[in-house]
Amino acid sequence: DAGVIQSPRHEVTEMGQEVTLRCKPISGHNSLFWYRQTMMRGLELLIYFNNNVPIDDSGMPEDRFSAKMPNASFSTLKIQPSEPRDSAVYFCASSLVVPSSANVLTFGAGSRLTVL
Amino acid sequence: LAKTTQPISMDSYEGQEVNITCSHNNIATNDYITWYQQFPSQGPRFIIQGYKTKVTNEVASLFIPADRKSSTLSLPRVSLSDTAVYYCLVGGVYNQGGKLIFGQGTELSVKP
Repeated sequence: DAGVIQSPRHEVTEMGQEVTLRCKPISGHNSLFWYRQTMMRGLELLIYFNNNVPIDDSGMPEDRFSAKMPNASFSTLKIQPSEPRDSAVYFCASSLVVPSSANVLTFGAGSRLTVL
Repeated sequence: LAKTTQPISMDSYEGQEVNITCSHNNIATNDYITWYQQFPSQGPRFIIQGYKTKVTNEVASLFIPADRKSSTLSLPRVSLSDTAVYYCLVGGVYNQGGKLIFGQGTELSVKP
C-alpha cells in the first residue's frame, strides 16, 4: 500500500485565496483525521470522520474551514478565505477501527501551507 | 478524554537507554496507550501500543504499571537517528475513530 497520500505537499498562496488540501487514506481504513501542526500550538485535531461521516468538528477553528469525505478513498480540507495565521502543516491520518482493537493512526507526509 | 503529561525535552548520548514517562491519571478502563515518533518535516509514526504490563517490539518497550496511570517508553541503545519528538496518546478500544488528542510531546535529543 502507498500509505496515506496528501496533496499538495507545499502550497504558497495569498491572503483571501481559497485553499484545498486533499487526502487519500489507506484502502480499507474506516476512520480519517485532519490535524494541523504549528510551532506555537503543536498538533491540533481539526476534524475526524468515521465511515465517511464527520463525527467531531469541534477543532475546526472557524467557519472558513470545511472538510468533506465524499467516499472512503478521498477527503478534502478547504480554507476560504485563507489568512496568514492559517500557515501550518496540515496532516491527514487514517486508521482501521474494529472491535477489540485500539486505534493506530497512519499519517501522510503533510501539506505545508504558507499564506502571504 | 484522558489528558497526558510528558517532559518537554530530554537529552541523551548514543548507546544509552532512554526512558520517557507519560502521566495519564484519568485513563479509562478501555483506553489503550500508544506512542508515536515524529521526525522534522514528517508525520508522526506509530512506535508501540499497550494496555497493561509490558510490551516489546523490535524498536522499543512499553512499561505500564498496574494502576495504568502512567506509562514509560524505553528506547534501548539510542542512536543519533532517534532524535525526534515522542508523543504519548491515550484512546479507547471501541473508539470508532474517536478523538485522539496529541499532547506537547517530548523532544529527545541524542548527542554523539
